[in-house]
Amino acid sequence: DAGITQSPRHKVTETGTPVTLRCHQTENHRYMYWYRQDPGHGLRLIHYSYGVKDTDKGEVSDGYSVSRSKTEDFLLTLESATSSQTSVYFCAINGGLGTEAFFGQGTRLTVV
Amino acid sequence: GENVEQHPSTLSVQEGDSAVIKCTYSDSASNYFPWYKQELGKGPQLIIDIRSNVGEKKDQRIAVTLNKTAKHFSLHITETQPEDSAVYFCAASIAETSGSRLTFGEGTQLTVNP
Repeated sequence: DAGITQSPRHKVTETGTPVTLRCHQTENHRYMYWYRQDPGHGLRLIHYSYGVKDTDKGEVSDGYSVSRSKTEDFLLTLESATSSQTSVYFCAINGGLGTEAFFGQGTRLTVV
Repeated sequence: GENVEQHPSTLSVQEGDSAVIKCTYSDSASNYFPWYKQELGKGPQLIIDIRSNVGEKKDQRIAVTLNKTAKHFSLHITETQPEDSAVYFCAASIAETSGSRLTFGEGTQLTVNP
């Protein structure tokens, strides 16, 4: 298995609180991604990174920010959590253009 | 942007039968088409992929076909087994752009009945 660790694996938080999810990789891959998975929508890209301090928005970026200060870590922050952000969040990595993307185990986030 | 549609949303087959899942995409510039299998409680895992310069690719019981003109691609699983039961996702991307910014279909829940 690719060395990807997501933390926490489960989290329940209250509406309006900030939340940070962490993705840690040991593969030294350049590209990292955050997706969310919701019933009926498949996986949708939130943000991605193509290098340290290089990030860009995906399809559903509103309400989310990211940071990548080291190759191995990609953080996803919900500045003020809302119930619509209740979802399963997956981190993915890949080493080059058009190569296999490896996914983490996911973080189940519930906003109450 | 790219839009990927996947059918059917659920598929139930008897063990040993074949299963076919179909996807269409909208962006003619897309050139990389992976298929992922997701088991309950786990992240998606790549099972096969195809690039636009190839019409068909096979790996044991799994095959993928691509029709660039019609902008559709399909996953074929032969001799299905109960362990093939999972959710399958198709995806599309433009390989030359920033990494694998994948656009996924909505998924197909495949159930293989013993």
